[in-house]
Amino acid sequence: DSGVTQTPKHLITATGQRVTLRCSPRSGDLSVYWYQQSLDQGLQFLIQYYNGEERAKGNILERFSAQQFPDLHSELNLSSLELGDSALYFCASSVGGGSSYNEQFFGPGTRLTVL
Amino acid sequence: DQQVKQNSPSLSVQEGRISILNCDYTNSMFDYFLWYKKYPAEGPTFLISISSIKDKNEDGRFTVFLNKSAKHLSLHIVPSQPGDSAVYFCAAYNAQQAGTALIFGKGTTLSVSS
Repeated sequence: DSGVTQTPKHLITATGQRVTLRCSPRSGDLSVYWYQQSLDQGLQFLIQYYNGEERAKGNILERFSAQQFPDLHSELNLSSLELGDSALYFCASSVGGGSSYNEQFFGPGTRLTVL
Repeated sequence: DQQVKQNSPSLSVQEGRISILNCDYTNSMFDYFLWYKKYPAEGPTFLISISSIKDKNEDGRFTVFLNKSAKHLSLHIVPSQPGDSAVYFCAAYNAQQAGTALIFGKGTTLSVSS
């Protein structure tokens, strides 16, 4: 158990819908990272927040948005869903705000299925 | 355009032997490299990393080698154990640039048989 929690574990929805994925970082961690793992694209970094502010951005679509709240939990919002958005979405957290990729701990992921 | 490539989707090794997982990159600005291990139904776990100022980093049974001129790195696991069976991801980024994204390869599935 990494200490990072993600809800829900599974999510099934229809094209055109909007969903929100939630992540609670490990106690004391200030950074939250979001990743997408799909069959064709592999593992992709989406975005990083540090103490409420966006810190780094990867291949995140405009239909997707994220935020980190004062209690440090984060939400990833996916809208106008397409079949290709079906994937595993991972959240990770770390103490530092820089590119602390070697210090991050991953959650178990949310499996999103778009029908 | 894939900036980090793991050209072998799978690798099978016998217990006790060496496992060598390979990774190539194309972006010369990458100066920090990481390996992650992922078991089914779990998130990735950081395994080992190497900075471009080094050519080797060792941690127990795991050693990562970096060849900057060839833009190639490899992960050696010696001796391999059945519990090492997992998907291994290579990743890279430019540590000198603030807000840089971590770029992953597509992974290599390692199977260690007893």
